[in-house]
Amino acid sequence: DTGVSQDPRHKITKRGQNVTFRCDPISEHNRLYWYRQTLGQGPEFLTYFQNEAQLEKSRLLSDRFSAERPKGSFSTLEIQRTEQGDSAMYLCASRTTIPGAQGTEAFFGQGTRLTVV
Amino acid sequence: QKEVEQNSGPLSVPEGAIASLNCTYSDRGSQSFFWYRQYSGKSPELIMSIYSNGDKEDGRFTAQLNKASQYVSLLIRDSQPSDSATYLCAVNTNAGKSTFGDGTTLTVKP
Repeated sequence: DTGVSQDPRHKITKRGQNVTFRCDPISEHNRLYWYRQTLGQGPEFLTYFQNEAQLEKSRLLSDRFSAERPKGSFSTLEIQRTEQGDSAMYLCASRTTIPGAQGTEAFFGQGTRLTVV
Repeated sequence: QKEVEQNSGPLSVPEGAIASLNCTYSDRGSQSFFWYRQYSGKSPELIMSIYSNGDKEDGRFTAQLNKASQYVSLLIRDSQPSDSATYLCAVNTNAGKSTFGDGTTLTVKP
């Protein structure tokens, strides 16, 4: 399978616990994005990386959220001291960028569904 | 006002009909436009991309872009029950991140 892979697919955690999610992008893709989606809403941008550099974080992103992409390949998203409001689907997407080109499509992983109880 | 607006629906069409989904966006600097299909409980699946004004056809799907009107649409011809899903419009700026609408739910009735 050469698509975007996310792990775990489901996570149930107690309020106050820390959780970490992993995303493995399509291997030749240099850009990696994290989104969050709640029921009835479209995906909401959280952050993105170009290779190992984190280029943008959403202003809506709490300090409890941190993301890394240490070697420019896989990425992790950590949520510290989880709250019930963090319950959502966390989506990872990747794409490649071509200098001078208009843009390329982003492909999503299966998502990690987080439930905070 | 949201950056990307879609009618939430639900939109219901009979099998074999044309389904028309619409999207407007506010950032005139937007350069790339995408339609994703999302089944309940699943992640978004890319079905169409469009970068220039006009129409782009791929099988039963046609995307239409009008940058002057800041409007993107998706037509689904010969709609099938398997097309029943939520359709998300996504708009990219130079940074390449996508801003999504909240989706239109389509139901195709046999």
